[in-house]
Amino acid sequence: AQKITQTQPGMFVQEKEAVTLDCTYDTSDPSYGLFWYKQPSSGEMIFLIYQGSYDQQNATEGRYSLNFQKARKSANLVISASQLGDSAMYFCAMRVGASGGSYIPTFGRGTSLIVHP
Amino acid sequence: DAGVTQSPTHLIKTRGQHVTLRCSPISGHKSVSWYQQVLGQGPQFIFQYYEKEERGRGNFPDRFSARQFPNYSSELNVNALLLGDSALYLCASSLAQGAPWNSPLHFGNGTRLTVT
Repeated sequence: AQKITQTQPGMFVQEKEAVTLDCTYDTSDPSYGLFWYKQPSSGEMIFLIYQGSYDQQNATEGRYSLNFQKARKSANLVISASQLGDSAMYFCAMRVGASGGSYIPTFGRGTSLIVHP
Repeated sequence: DAGVTQSPTHLIKTRGQHVTLRCSPISGHKSVSWYQQVLGQGPQFIFQYYEKEERGRGNFPDRFSARQFPNYSSELNVNALLLGDSALYLCASSLAQGAPWNSPLHFGNGTRLTVT
């Protein structure tokens, strides 16, 4: 069974500072993808960044980067130069490549990020 | 290009009633999945459809059903509504080509269902 753990219910960061949101995962499948989503109070889930299990380099997308440590099964999201608009819930998710499977994603419980001016 | 669209945006129903939620995927996306998100939790998988066939079902009662149409749009139906069905219902689409596990899900804005 797949599992995503986000141990930080809430995080606070000063505007323009960097922040790391933790995510650990568990799967026995060698093929998997890790995703981070942002959910503002309005409800929509916004895709931020993706890391594949076979990728050699850490993914980056603008101010977002993913610190992928495969041996430790962690996929932490790093947001650089935080902005007030970054205040939202952040979800880590995983899809696995089980043979014949339906690639059902598993989500963590989320981390609430508040950016202070 | 239009993103994933869901309707209605908000819905208030009474216990025991039936509800139908609708979703149109991004053009070219053939896979649609549905999720229930209760307050304070991450989305929970309900159904996945690909090429009009059910490809996965989460741990939800038979009161929940869904289908996908030839144009790849989808409906989620919930019968005999309970108070506990109150949640944000999210629809997501993905390309589902090649190795789907590396395809990001693109979500709609969701339907907020309140059961009274």
